[in-house]
Amino acid sequence: NAGVMQNPRHLVRRRGQEARLRCSPMKGHSHVYWYRQLPEEGLKFMVYLQKENIIDESGMPKERFSAEFPKEGPSILRIQQVVRGDSAAYFCASSRGTGSPGYTFGSGTRLTVV
Amino acid sequence: AQTVTQSQPEMSVQEAETVTLSCTYDTSESDYYLFWYKQPPSRQMILVIRQEAYKQQNATENRFSVNFQKAAKSFSLKISDSQLGDAAMYFCAYRSRGGSQGNLIFGKGTKLSVKP
Repeated sequence: NAGVMQNPRHLVRRRGQEARLRCSPMKGHSHVYWYRQLPEEGLKFMVYLQKENIIDESGMPKERFSAEFPKEGPSILRIQQVVRGDSAAYFCASSRGTGSPGYTFGSGTRLTVV
Repeated sequence: AQTVTQSQPEMSVQEAETVTLSCTYDTSESDYYLFWYKQPPSRQMILVIRQEAYKQQNATENRFSVNFQKAAKSFSLKISDSQLGDAAMYFCAYRSRGGSQGNLIFGKGTKLSVKP
C-alpha cells in the first residue's frame, strides 16, 4: 500500500523552461492538494483538486502555474517559463475527502531554477 | 482569514528531557482541526498529532502530547523523553472542519535540536 508518490524528487530547470511535477495519491484517495515550501518557511497552500475538477486554486499564482488531476493518471503541477523565484520544494498531499481529517504527504519535489 | 503563528524559530533540548513548542492561531470559526507535523532533513512531512477543536481532552500519542487552550487559541506540543530522532522542523497547522475548504494553514516552523 504505497503512500503518496511524487516524482521527480529533484528537478533542475533553466530559466524559461517548463517544469512538470507529478503526484500519485494514496490508493483510495480522490482529493489532492499541492503546497509550496520556500526556504525557511512553512508550507503554503496552492491548489485543491478532485478527479477532473479544480475545487480551490486560491493559492495559485495567476500566471504560469496550472494544475490538473485527470480521470486516469497522476495529478500534474505545471510551471511554465520558470524563474529563479520558483525554486522551492513542492509537496502533494492526498485524502479521502474534506470529511476526512487525515492527510498523507508525499516526499516532495525540490525544484531548482538556474 | 485564519493564521498560525509559531514564535520560536529554534529550540534545543537535552536528550531524555522534555521540551514544549508553542503555537497560537487566529480564527473566527468554532469547529476545526489542529495538527503538528514533523519534517526531518529527509523533507518528508510526518503527522505527529491531531486535535479536534470540539474535544476538550488533549490529544496524546506516546511521548507527544498537546496543551490545547481553545479560548486562548493556543496549541502547544510537549515532547517527553526527547530522543535524537526527534530533531527536525516542527510545523503547527490549522484546518477548517466545515465547508469545502480542505487545505491546511501552516506556521513557519520551529527547528528542534536534540543534544546528546
